[in-house]
Amino acid sequence: DAGVIQSPRHEVTEMGQEVTLRCKPISGHNSLFWYRQTMMRGLELLIYFNNNVPIDDSGMPEDRFSAKMPNASFSTLKIQPSEPRDSAVYFCASKRGLGETQYFGPGTRLLVL
Amino acid sequence: QKEVEQNSGPLSVPEGAIASLNCTYSDRGSQSFFWYRQYSGKSPELIMFIYSNGDKEDGRFTAQLNKASQYVSLLIRDSQPSDSATYLCAVNSGGSNYKLTFGKGTLLTVNP
Repeated sequence: DAGVIQSPRHEVTEMGQEVTLRCKPISGHNSLFWYRQTMMRGLELLIYFNNNVPIDDSGMPEDRFSAKMPNASFSTLKIQPSEPRDSAVYFCASKRGLGETQYFGPGTRLLVL
Repeated sequence: QKEVEQNSGPLSVPEGAIASLNCTYSDRGSQSFFWYRQYSGKSPELIMFIYSNGDKEDGRFTAQLNKASQYVSLLIRDSQPSDSATYLCAVNSGGSNYKLTFGKGTLLTVNP
């Protein structure tokens, strides 16, 4: 089975531009998570979806960040406008039901100049 | 602020030795505790989880939990160079069945 798929794997953009990160969870998984990882703050949960519905977005840093999950096999995380402090690795993870194991995608390395 | 603290390391051990990784957490309501391994430039992968006080063994890995002391540890026996990675401790926040708070990780280097 394919794991969690994320695109793009690397993104370099200029401050003020819109950035869209994409995620395809593992088939059959109904929980999806977006995380951000930086050296300073470590791995932080941004938003959690269950059955395509946003359940907890308390980790979204500010209104410049938004996330959607239009169906069970696709989610996006959008940053508009982007700022240099948004530079980080963004991971998408999914899990099945009440199962404990979250499976992480390969991540998107974002650099905002 | 729920916190998970780990020594950032690096922790360096010789091949074949026991590596001991430690983690403390602040949320007394936490019920589930996880150890993830993250190779440089890769994504985290789950090694073990533990719910109950005491030890849980899986191959060369043993997770230890002491809820009274709010302390979790991971022992790696017969350490191999392939174990060299950053180990992340994670704790479910406030008894949530989905929300994990991660420590910043301990970098382990196993020297041949």
